[in-house]
Amino acid sequence: KAGVTQTPRYLIKTRGQQVTLSCSPISGHRSVSWYQQTPGQGLQFLFEYFSETQRNKGNFPGRFSGRQFSNSRSEMNVSTLELGDSALYLCASSLGPGQRNTEAFFGQGTRLTVV
Amino acid sequence: GNSVTQMEGPVTLSEEAFLTINCTYTATGYPSLFWYVQYPGEGLQLLLKATKADDKGSNKGFEATYRKETTSFHLEKGSVQVSDSAVYFCALTGGGNKLTFGTGTQLKVEL
Repeated sequence: KAGVTQTPRYLIKTRGQQVTLSCSPISGHRSVSWYQQTPGQGLQFLFEYFSETQRNKGNFPGRFSGRQFSNSRSEMNVSTLELGDSALYLCASSLGPGQRNTEAFFGQGTRLTVV
Repeated sequence: GNSVTQMEGPVTLSEEAFLTINCTYTATGYPSLFWYVQYPGEGLQLLLKATKADDKGSNKGFEATYRKETTSFHLEKGSVQVSDSAVYFCALTGGGNKLTFGTGTQLKVEL
């Protein structure tokens, strides 16, 4: 079956712009989580969505937001981009909460560069 | 809160050498523990997991045992190959789907 699909793979944006990243989870998976990966901070949790509701949120400013659609696809948006937002953004899908031992499957990520 | 500490890299080994990457954690309750691997330019792949104390996760020759008494989950492999060169992340979940990761350990295996 198809894996987690993230689009686009690469993005270059200018400071002050906004960006939207997309994630299509594995078919049947209803939980989507987002992570930011940078050389300095490592992998940090952004937020988790299940059934179109945000269940959990990491320690990021309000410029970072997300949503989930009824087909479980998710988008994350970053407004007023800063140079420090340059990172690899990873999406992970899993069956859902209550599946305590469920495995998280990751996409290949979107590499965002802010210039 | 939850945290994961893993050994600093990079680790450079010769092919067929024994590998150990240390991982310790701090968590409330009974977390599930994971090792993920990241190859260059790729996302994360689950390597193995353990969900309760004394469980041993294993995959592709890699093993790790959930040690609650020492709050550790060290990754081991008896004989590494060049193809094992990657970055390895130790991680935990505390009951939900949020993963807390260690900083990652880069492994380079040379012929």
